[in-house]
Amino acid sequence: EPEVTQTPSHQVTQMGQEVILRCVPISNHLYFYWYRQILGQKVEFLVSFYNNEISEKSEIFDDQFSVERPDGSNFTLKIRSTKLEDSAMYFCASSDWGSGGGNEQFFGPGTRLTVL
Amino acid sequence: AQSVTQLGSHVSVSEGALVLLRCNYSSSVPPYLFWYVQYPNQGLQLLLKYTTGATLVKGINGFEAEFKKSETSFHLTKPSAHMSDAAEYFCAVSQYTGGFKTIFGAGTRLFVKA
Repeated sequence: EPEVTQTPSHQVTQMGQEVILRCVPISNHLYFYWYRQILGQKVEFLVSFYNNEISEKSEIFDDQFSVERPDGSNFTLKIRSTKLEDSAMYFCASSDWGSGGGNEQFFGPGTRLTVL
Repeated sequence: AQSVTQLGSHVSVSEGALVLLRCNYSSSVPPYLFWYVQYPNQGLQLLLKYTTGATLVKGINGFEAEFKKSETSFHLTKPSAHMSDAAEYFCAVSQYTGGFKTIFGAGTRLFVKA
């Protein structure tokens, strides 16, 4: 069964460093998303991406964040200068526009980012 | 603006007992509603979803949910809890506003006692 994959599973970085979180969405999906979950808190929407551009973003997704689909398979989230409060689990998701509405998103297993 | 409220951050039931996890939503347009489950140290797995049509939706692992527009609710139920049901459950609402985004509730952790 197709699935969303994410690498690495755990990333440890120093405050101020840049990190890139990688995702491989399901191959025929057209919409891509990033969410984050701070430990013990709810899952928060960051950004959605379609047709090589951001279609929607939350107030969390400030200038420190960027997304890219560098090739036909990968979808990345870059944090330019990490802060302690960026420590969280980051989930990638993808969906098929043609799924008849209801936008079922398939989630990856997550990358746990720890900023020291 | 959309929002999701899950009543009860923790719910504890005995094995074999009814599971009821409550969810209320607000949305300016007909919503798409979801329940996701998260097991420890894992990602989110879709349990069930409501889009249109039948308001009683059946999902995996014996769970079901009923969409009640008049009550703006989408409560999750399972007739008989199993130890393996212990997990975090998230209710979510999705809407197209130029791009799809999903808004999650705060989650309800389900404990199942032997």
